[in-house]
Amino acid sequence: QQQVRQSPQSLTVWEGETAILNCSYEDSTFNYFPWYQQFPGEGPALLISIRSVSDKKEDGRFTIFFNKREKKLSLHITDSQPGDSATYFCAAYNTNTGKLTFGDGTVLTVKP
Amino acid sequence: DTTVKQNPRYKLARVGKPVNLICSQTMNHDTMYWYQKKPNQAPKLLLFYYDKILNREADTFEKFQSSRPNNSFCSLYIGSAGLEYSAMYLCASSTFNYAEQFFGPGTRLTVL
Repeated sequence: QQQVRQSPQSLTVWEGETAILNCSYEDSTFNYFPWYQQFPGEGPALLISIRSVSDKKEDGRFTIFFNKREKKLSLHITDSQPGDSATYFCAAYNTNTGKLTFGDGTVLTVKP
Repeated sequence: DTTVKQNPRYKLARVGKPVNLICSQTMNHDTMYWYQKKPNQAPKLLLFYYDKILNREADTFEKFQSSRPNNSFCSLYIGSAGLEYSAMYLCASSTFNYAEQFFGPGTRLTVL
């Protein structure tokens, strides 16, 4: 059973549009949720993160919305740019184990 | 400097032969991780070192070994490569129980 699920698997938007990437999880002990951005040929890099005590985290054009009751979160990228084209991984952290569990990723393509 | 380095970037191996991958970090992190990443799948944690203590995931226990000769270096060792080992191998480091992990660019292993 996959602990962290992402949808859609791939997403294409036009430059200037808002991209919405979804994530859900199973384990209620997860308490920290980082989103990683990965470009081809590079390793994943932390983009933005949220703790389970918050319901929203904003950093420039990137915003996480978090619904603890439904165990869902989403990453909104406003005014999408071609440079945002990458794979985005939602991850969940368990303080008890010190481990990150990743979703399968969403491949975002932003067309100019 | 938040660089995690991995060598080699590309590795070609024959079935049944050993493979040794190297990772280094200069952030003085106490924890180093190895993940396996296959196309369209989530990065999968294989093992991690907290200081000198090795923790291997139960489902990959027999398949991978590791060593950490000092705080900066960590290796991943495959004793006898099989076709199923073809994947990207990502190394990451962090301060234990601090969720942000810093990733290297990965080593792409192809087993023929």
